[in-house]
Parts: sequence; C-alpha cells; structure tokens
Amino acid sequence: QQQVKQSPQSLIVQKGGISIINCAYENTAFDYFPWYQQFPGKGPALLIAIRPDVSEKKEGRFTISFNKSAKQFSLHIMDSQPGDSATYFCAASSGGGADGLTFGKGTHLIIQP
Amino acid sequence: NAGVTQTPKFRILKIGQSMTLQCAQDMNHNYMYWYRQDPGMGLKLIYYSVGAGITDKGEVPNGYNVSRSTTEDFPLRLELAAPSQTSVYFCASSLLRGTGELFFGEGSRLTVL
Repeated sequence: QQQVKQSPQSLIVQKGGISIINCAYENTAFDYFPWYQQFPGKGPALLIAIRPDVSEKKEGRFTISFNKSAKQFSLHIMDSQPGDSATYFCAASSGGGADGLTFGKGTHLIIQP
Repeated sequence: NAGVTQTPKFRILKIGQSMTLQCAQDMNHNYMYWYRQDPGMGLKLIYYSVGAGITDKGEVPNGYNVSRSTTEDFPLRLELAAPSQTSVYFCASSLLRGTGELFFGEGSRLTVL
C-alpha cells in the first residue's frame, strides 16, 4: 500500500513557466511534509517543508500548497529554470519522525531552454 | 564538513556473495537511516537507528542487517546477495526527531549478477 502518491511521473516545462507536482497521502497521522530535490548521481536534498497547521509556504521560487481536508499537497516552481531540472520527491512523516520518511515515487522534471 | 560519507560508490557482486556498505557521518546526528532507490519507485526504508546500540526494521528489511556501535557509523550488511538487491543505496542522518530533514550521502550503486 503506497502511503504517498505522487504525480506526474515526468514533467516537461518551458523555461520561465510554472512547474506543478502533486502529492496525496492516506495516513492522517502524517504531520510533516518535506520535498526533496535530487540531481543525477547525488543524494536527495531537502528543498522545502511544511506542517499541516499552515496552508502555504514560500521560499524564493518554490511554494508548497497544503490542503489538509483533501489530504493533498503540491510543489509549485515559479519561473522554472534549466537548473531546476532534477527529480523531485514528496515525503511525509508522523509521530516524531524517528522512523524516517515515507517517500512518493518521484517526478522527473525537465526544464527546456 | 564531510556530512554523510558512503563507501563504496559502486560494487558488483555475484549471487550469494556478502558485503557491507559503509556509512559515516560527522555531524553528531543521533538518527540514521538506510534507504534503497529503484527506478520509478522512490526511496524505501530498509533499517533505521535512533542512537548507538539501537536499530529497527523499516519497510524492506529482508536480506539486510545493520549495526550501530557508535554515533558516527551505521553499516549495512547484505547477506547472500540476490539480483533483487540490485539498487542504489542511500544512507541518511538527522539531528532532530520529527523535523524530517534528512542529510543524505551520495549513494552506493550495487549490482548483483
């Protein structure tokens, strides 16, 4: 049973456009929702994260929107740049998170010049 | 800072062989994790540790073992390697329980033939 569903699997966006990646979760105990960015040959790195007590968090060109009632959250990348081309993972944790994160399957994002 | 260091970066094993993937962190983090990443499948938790001497199973522990004798080191042992263990393995660490901010190594790519 996949606890965090991520879509789309791959995404192509023109430079300057908005990239949108969506995730849905099932476990209502989840209380922390980070997004990770991974470049080829590297490990994932934390990009931005949100807790369910806020509906939106913005850091530069990256914004997380969170809908608690729908159990959905999304990543928006404004003014997408070729350097944003990477794989993006949403994730979730619960109960303090000591037992790690549950990851979505990832979205391979390509920004075309 | 070196962060999380994994060795080896690449390894080819024959079916039935055993090996240990090494992971070391120099950030004095209590929490450490092993994930495996397969194409299109995201990251799945193998084992985790909340401190020296304490380990626990994740989602996919079969065929693996871990130990945590020091805060810094968290090796992953593969016994009787099988083709299904062909994957990229990531070690990660975290300072605080519940933040979800994992610091990942660069990965170890293992092929079992």
